[in-house]
Amino acid sequence: QKEVEQNSGPLSVPEGAIASLNCTYSDRGSQSFFWYRQYSGKSPELIMFIYSNGDKEDGRFTAQLNKASQYVSLLIRDSQPSDSATYLCAVNRGYSTLTFGKGTMLLVSP
Amino acid sequence: EAEVAQSPRYKITEKSQAVAFWCDPISGHATLYWYRQILGQGPELLVQFQDESVVDDSQLPKDRFSAERLKGVDSTLKIQPAELGDSAMYLCASSPRKTGMNTEAFFGQGTRLTVV
Repeated sequence: QKEVEQNSGPLSVPEGAIASLNCTYSDRGSQSFFWYRQYSGKSPELIMFIYSNGDKEDGRFTAQLNKASQYVSLLIRDSQPSDSATYLCAVNRGYSTLTFGKGTMLLVSP
Repeated sequence: EAEVAQSPRYKITEKSQAVAFWCDPISGHATLYWYRQILGQGPELLVQFQDESVVDDSQLPKDRFSAERLKGVDSTLKIQPAELGDSAMYLCASSPRKTGMNTEAFFGQGTRLTVV
């Protein structure tokens, strides 16, 4: 069983819409949850992190965590073509390895 | 703005040759990671250091890969001999120390390795 699962996409949304990206994880002891954005040929860039159940907002981005369901999501409001990228979900417990999903490709059309 | 430095950015090598990558983490960051990312996949951990100690190298192919972080600062990842299947992006990341858990990791620009 994959430790961190993401739908590979692509997820296509029109400009201005809300993009919803989802991630599930298998380790119930996971404590830290991260979302990275990766443009083609570039390295991952941290967008947000969340440690507690509930929502965390930062500008157009909202991370949502539900530890009971082992589910974390990223909402992007007012999506822009520049948001088109692969979004990676990453999870860890304590000092253990930061484990990544395969990523979801997001395409925002003008 | 503090960054993780990696070199070289690109490397082309022939199979069976040796290749080395260098990483300098953000100053003060205790944790250093080396990841390998194949096109279309997520990053996969090769080795994780806490200061100068290896805390996880379970996925490092030790017959050909080696990594060191001698003074707990910069790090080198070596492949010898390189194989065609080693062609990938090699990413270094670092994160600061926080009691009880690792915090967010910041990535360098990566080294794109092509083995021919």
